[in-house]
Amino acid sequence: QKEVEQDPGPLSVPEGAIVSLNCTYSNSAFQYFMWYRQYSRKGPELLMYTYSSGNKEDGRFTAQVDKSSKYISLFIRDSQPSDSATYLCAMVEGGSEKLVFGKGTKLTVNP
Amino acid sequence: DGGITQSPKYLFRKEGQNVTLSCEQNLNHDAMYWYRQDPGQGLRLIYYSQIVNDFQKGDIAEGYSVSREKKESFPLTVTSAQKNPTAFYLCASSIDQGTSGPHNEQFFGPGTRLTVL
Repeated sequence: QKEVEQDPGPLSVPEGAIVSLNCTYSNSAFQYFMWYRQYSRKGPELLMYTYSSGNKEDGRFTAQVDKSSKYISLFIRDSQPSDSATYLCAMVEGGSEKLVFGKGTKLTVNP
Repeated sequence: DGGITQSPKYLFRKEGQNVTLSCEQNLNHDAMYWYRQDPGQGLRLIYYSQIVNDFQKGDIAEGYSVSREKKESFPLTVTSAQKNPTAFYLCASSIDQGTSGPHNEQFFGPGTRLTVL
């Protein structure tokens, strides 16, 4: 079993839809959870960062962590064509430098 | 402007050749990282360095080498021993993680796409 599992998609939705992206993990030592957005042929950029169970909201984006189920989610409300990208979950143990990434989910938002 | 630069953007290599990928940052970050990204594989850590003149192997270091002679530079050499080097290579940097405290954000460069001919 891989440490981090993420459905690679692709996921295609109409503009304005609510998007749900998910990752599961097996390592209970992971303490910090991130979502990166990567546009085609570009480097990833940090979108959301959380370290506790519960929800964190930033504009149209909500990150959710459930440590008891080892499950994290990213919700995108009112999705826009500019949200079309690959979304990578990443997580790390406390005090470690080594991020562990999911495979990424490719999202397309159709106008 | 502060940031991370990688060069070249595209690189072609003949089999049996060593090539070096450049990574420079002016963010005054202590830690730097090299990742490899393959289609459907996500990012995998090759090498990382927390301080000048020191670096550690990541999960897939075989066939690669690095140096960290300056704080702002962390070049990656893809050697002929790397059997499947065609991939997208990403460099990142962060404030040193230290041994405790919250994880510090890694900032990524634009990447170098290496193709073996």
